[in-house]
Amino acid sequence: GQQLNQSPQSMFIQEGEDVSMNCTSSSIFNTWLWYKQDPGEGPVLLIALYKAGELTSNGRLTAQFGITRKDSFLNISASIPSDVGIYFCAGQRAGNNRKLIWGLGTSLAVNP
Amino acid sequence: DTEVTQTPKHLVMGMTNKKSLKCEQHMGHRAMYWYKQKAKKPPELMFVYSYEKLSINESVPSRFSPECPNSSLLNLHLHALQPEDSALYLCASSHDRFDNEQFFGPGTRLTVL
Repeated sequence: GQQLNQSPQSMFIQEGEDVSMNCTSSSIFNTWLWYKQDPGEGPVLLIALYKAGELTSNGRLTAQFGITRKDSFLNISASIPSDVGIYFCAGQRAGNNRKLIWGLGTSLAVNP
Repeated sequence: DTEVTQTPKHLVMGMTNKKSLKCEQHMGHRAMYWYKQKAKKPPELMFVYSYEKLSINESVPSRFSPECPNSSLLNLHLHALQPEDSALYLCASSHDRFDNEQFFGPGTRLTVL
């Protein structure tokens, strides 16, 4: 099925560094969601975005709904070891199909 | 209560066994979902229930049989599975099927021998 282009695929950073990742699509989306998944656990919803240009924060996390409605960005500031995990973007395309489309994930490793 | 719970946490079954996965939420959500997730891949939608009725079946083989006994419970009955069905099975819920904010349970790690 269709998937979003999510990059980077993986990141290895030092504790305290900032992190940026993004998702892009050739289609227009109505909703963007960012999830984090720890090993052996289910995805946890971090941020939901509903409006083009919207910028939303959740603690050290900030996400933006691109103004073209074809992309979204997630930034993590001052990373800490517990930020380790896989980050997935997901979106709902404009139109009648309510099914979420998922990115392939960004695997984040943080070196203490 | 803002949790989605799933049991069991782990399940090992043979190809001739019949087993069931269970999911429960007490957030008053009226949409519930089953997803299958392979290692290092995103979740793949299997079924959607809306107001206790099956709304979407993503062409899932009949060896997977969902059931929604009431608005808080969702089951997935398994029969005659194949080794390639081994995966993490995730349950999720949302306010209704038009609400994109889906909340996931911890999953059941299924191994088919």
